[in-house]
Amino acid sequence: DIVMTQAPLSVSVTPGESASISCRSSKSLLHSNGITYVYWYLQKPGKSPQLLIYRMSNLASGVPDRFSGSGSETDFTLKISRVEAEDVGIYYCGQLLENPLTFGSGTKLEIK
Amino acid sequence: QVQLKETGPGLVQPTQTLSITCTVSGFSLTSYYMQWVRQTPGKGLEWMGFIRSGGSTEYNSEFKSRLSISRDTSKNQVFLKMNSLKTEDTGVYYCARDWVMDAWGQGASVTVSS
Repeated sequence: DIVMTQAPLSVSVTPGESASISCRSSKSLLHSNGITYVYWYLQKPGKSPQLLIYRMSNLASGVPDRFSGSGSETDFTLKISRVEAEDVGIYYCGQLLENPLTFGSGTKLEIK
Repeated sequence: QVQLKETGPGLVQPTQTLSITCTVSGFSLTSYYMQWVRQTPGKGLEWMGFIRSGGSTEYNSEFKSRLSISRDTSKNQVFLKMNSLKTEDTGVYYCARDWVMDAWGQGASVTVSS
């Protein structure tokens, strides 16, 4: 199985500042079709996960452009610019390249 | 408006069978994959399996021997059945739309306990 490792476990950010979350996969997520199958989800407190970023760098519908995704074949970063109070929650990376689909253990974002 | 809603039993006894229904609206099951993901205290988010738009299924081998996913397109419902439940199966079970999981239900909380 592909293991997704996230860091840090938690991050505390002042509103208006930026935050970065890292994710590393145990295997390349770059498919021969040129698509990198890493996805980012946010689970706000008491809510279900919601899709933020698909295929490493594409913003899901309705997601503010303060969010961005980047990376290589195995190392990925979610960046949140100008953090707002509504951004609190747990961020998960996931790989949708192969069965079984797997997720990281999550990074909790808090506001200072 | 895309909506998904899981309904389940809440409490299940060990060794029994779990049945959860995901009822969807705003889109057709014949056009989208439907995924099942659970969230447990021990393992976090775990992908369980999916049913394709055409009706075929694929499962995480972790659950393969005891998991079944099916659907009734006329009722816009997807079903999860898992047998031989253990206490470690306690958690929240979600259905999600499409390969990318771009919409999720609110989750069905399941406690496995005698």
